[in-house]
Amino acid sequence: AQTVTQSQPEMSVQEAETVTLSCTYDTSESDYYLFWYKQPPSRQMILVIRQEAYKQQNATENRFSVNFQKAAKSFSLKISDSQLGDAAMYFCAYRSALITQGGSEKLVFGKGTKLTVNP
Amino acid sequence: DSGVTQTPKHLITATGQRVTLRCSPRSGDLSVYWYQQSLDQGLQFLIQYYNGEERAKGNILERFSAQQFPDLHSELNLSSLELGDSALYFCASSVSPRDMTRTEAFFGQGTRLTVV
Repeated sequence: AQTVTQSQPEMSVQEAETVTLSCTYDTSESDYYLFWYKQPPSRQMILVIRQEAYKQQNATENRFSVNFQKAAKSFSLKISDSQLGDAAMYFCAYRSALITQGGSEKLVFGKGTKLTVNP
Repeated sequence: DSGVTQTPKHLITATGQRVTLRCSPRSGDLSVYWYQQSLDQGLQFLIQYYNGEERAKGNILERFSAQQFPDLHSELNLSSLELGDSALYFCASSVSPRDMTRTEAFFGQGTRLTVV
C-alpha cells in the first residue's frame, strides 16, 4: 500500500518570502500522480498543483512550484512571494495511474503541514 | 467554487442516530469519492462509486454505507452513530468523460458532523 509522509507538522514564513514544504511517499508503482492540496480555515480542499510521475519537468503554477525527485520519492512544494492568503493546511496526496480492474483513483493523503504567514 | 455540492454543511445529532449526507458531483463527472477528516486519523478514504457502481472501499465502517444514483449524485449513510464518528466528511468527484486527461479530484466544502 502507498503511504505519504509530511514530516513538518507546522511551518511559518514571512510575507513575501519563500517557503518549502516537504513530502515523501512510498510506492512500488512506476506510474502515478502527485498533488498538493490547500485547506484554508474555510475547510475547502483546493487543488494547488499536480505532477505526473512520467514527466521529468517539475510542475509550476504561478507562485507555486514543485521539486519532484522520483528516485528519492520526494515531492516538495515551494511557495514564492508568500502572501497572507497562503496561510492554510497543505496536504500532499498520491494517486495511482495504473488502474487495473477493481482499482481505484482514490487519493492517499499525508497528515498535512500547517503554514502560517507572518505579516 | 469546485462545482461539487454537499449538503448539509453542518449536522449535529445524538449517539445511536442515523444521518444521510448528500453529494452532487461536478457536471459530467462519473466518479464520486467519500473521505473522512478527523483530528487523529487525518484524511481517510472511505469509498468510491463510478457511474453507479461501487469501485473501491477504504476504511469504511460496517455501520456506514453509500450509494450513487442514476443522476450520479451520491449519499453516505451513517448509522448507530458514536462520538468518534464526529468529523468532517468530504465528497469529491473526478473523471469527466469529456476530458480523460484530467486526473485531479475536486472537493465539496464538506459536511461537519458532530455527534453528542
